[in-house]
Amino acid sequence: DVKVTQSSRYLVKRTGEKVFLECVQDMDHENMFWYRQDPGLGLRLIYFSYDVKMKEKGDIPEGYSVSREKKERFSLILESASTNQTSMYLCASSGGQGIFNEQYFGPGTRLTVT
Amino acid sequence: AQSVTQLDSHVSVSEGTPVLLRCNYSSSYSPSLFWYVQHPNKGLQLLLKYTSAATLVKGINGFEAEFKKSETSFHLTKPSAHMSDAAEYFCDLTTSGTYKYIFGTGTRLKVLA
Repeated sequence: DVKVTQSSRYLVKRTGEKVFLECVQDMDHENMFWYRQDPGLGLRLIYFSYDVKMKEKGDIPEGYSVSREKKERFSLILESASTNQTSMYLCASSGGQGIFNEQYFGPGTRLTVT
Repeated sequence: AQSVTQLDSHVSVSEGTPVLLRCNYSSSYSPSLFWYVQHPNKGLQLLLKYTSAATLVKGINGFEAEFKKSETSFHLTKPSAHMSDAAEYFCDLTTSGTYKYIFGTGTRLKVLA
């Protein structure tokens, strides 16, 4: 069974803290993605990576960075957390170079910044 | 530019009646389209996908969707709703030449006993 795991289901951090969200997939997928999900806004792409050490900005990269040192692991970093980054964060992966491949999602991390 | 519009933010149906969740898309290129379901406090799970083969696509749990190019639509249907179908549903678009997937804003399905 394919698996995408995220390091935490719930996280509470203080404003200004540096926050790390970790995602691991066991499917040997080339592509990995970070989204944030907010009510009424659907999923918005923060960053994605199509290869190790490669990254591309999504639609809302401001305030975030990412790291992909190994194929199976994709980390999202909030350099200085702010209250407007309180959200559900979803990691996903997909295989191959084609457009026909669906994404596999982790269970999500609900981050609260106080 | 590519975009996805889910026409209803909330849909309520009675158990045993048909489900229709509407999705329209805009794309300059041949699209691939997906429907995902998200149950409370869970990640998204693929229901079905269209990848330029058959225009009527069957998915899991009795769901299906029809790709209509002339109407730029990819509506999700199920003949008979079950209580376990209550969830949020997302339509998703991607096209060749990009790694990006574009999601609609979601439709929350409520199933009444």
